[in-house]
Amino acid sequence: EVQLVESGGGLVKPGGSLRLSCGASGFSFSSYRMNWVRQAPGKGLEWVSSITTRGTYIYYADSVKGRFTISRDNAKNSLYLQMSSLRAEDTALYYCARSFRDDYFDYWGQGTLVTVSS
Amino acid sequence: EIVMTQSPATLSVSPGERATLSCRASQSVSINLAWYQQKPGQTPRVLIYGASTRATGIPARFSGSGSGTEFTLTISSLQSEDFAVYYCQQYNNWWTFGQGTKVEIK
Repeated sequence: EVQLVESGGGLVKPGGSLRLSCGASGFSFSSYRMNWVRQAPGKGLEWVSSITTRGTYIYYADSVKGRFTISRDNAKNSLYLQMSSLRAEDTALYYCARSFRDDYFDYWGQGTLVTVSS
Repeated sequence: EIVMTQSPATLSVSPGERATLSCRASQSVSINLAWYQQKPGQTPRVLIYGASTRATGIPARFSGSGSGTEFTLTISSLQSEDFAVYYCQQYNNWWTFGQGTKVEIK
């Protein structure tokens, strides 16, 4: 069974940093592109970042470019999102999601909540 | 960036009725479009990919159509478990979601 489990969320002050993790199991993690998607409270889905199987190609939404860094450790079956210079508008539930053949997102984790507030 | 626009924002439908949801792309995405369903407190679930292919386990009452810039998700006969928010997503050029359509009980 495919499982994605996010962790690392919490309350952080504006300008602060946080590192999210996503542990994967039930599939060959190193064979799949992985993504972060966020959802602000009561709002819609926003794609945040994507990383290819070996980390060769990385993409960011304009809203986080220069502040967030996506990475992965295939030996540990883990995906990461280093977030810095956090703003109130980064407050959201952050989902880890697997890409099917580099296309749509076929499996999602339950999310980890990031709250940016003073 | 490709902008995805969904309409209507809210759709009020009675159980057993047909629901038609629209999604428009700011430029052609070919058939590289997916639809997701999200119920309150739950993770999004893919319903349709490739504009018209149902994902594994998705009931036949869900169907997708369209190509280029205009897409439609149709739920032929709404069941109680179908009341949720639906998002379209393009994956032709990076990834972007529409703002969602909430399907509520009339």
